[in-house]
Amino acid sequence: GDSVTQMEGPVTLSEEAFLTINCTYTATGYPSLFWYVQYPGEGLQLLLKATKADDKGSNKGFEATYRKETTSFHLEKGSVQVSDSAVYFCALENRDDKIIFGKGTRLHILP
Amino acid sequence: ETGVTQSPTHLIKTRGQQVTLRCSSQSGHNTVSWYQQALGQGPQFIFQYYREEENGRGNFPPRFSGLQFPNYSSELNVNALELDDSALYLCASSSGRDRGRDGYTFGSGTRLTVV
Repeated sequence: GDSVTQMEGPVTLSEEAFLTINCTYTATGYPSLFWYVQYPGEGLQLLLKATKADDKGSNKGFEATYRKETTSFHLEKGSVQVSDSAVYFCALENRDDKIIFGKGTRLHILP
Repeated sequence: ETGVTQSPTHLIKTRGQQVTLRCSSQSGHNTVSWYQQALGQGPQFIFQYYREEENGRGNFPPRFSGLQFPNYSSELNVNALELDDSALYLCASSSGRDRGRDGYTFGSGTRLTVV
């Protein structure tokens, strides 16, 4: 079945460090891909999305490129801030129009 | 424009009881999806409603049921609660058939604890 695999956390970085959170997927066809963020005590917020191969989604300094050849959608940010501390979920929308999430990666940014 | 509102925010129930969780979708959204998020896990799809009709269901037993009302608000009902039902229940709304492509708007969730 369709699935999303993302790197295990927690990931701990110092402020201004470079961030990469790996995400790969398995799906039939050409799913849309998403990154969601969950801050403590809150619901999920859409961070960015890409709907076709080679699309780059970006928001708040975060970027991810839809790589069909490697079935990946890695999240990157050049300089993280303490306020980026949260849980990040990679997700896809499959051909049945359902969102499937990865298990999440907790990110801690140290001042 | 209001977001997605869920109630209650926290709930404690006893094994075997029944529970109803409520969700008010974002204005203009006609699709509601429910997810179960166990501690330390990603959200798992329970079911989705589009214009008051069920439009897909995940791997959850029949004791998980739902409704969507004409104003597109929704309820999730769980009968015969089990300890493993303890989780954060998230409601998400979106508009139109291409609901996933624009992303869903999530509520803050209902934290259910079954004891």
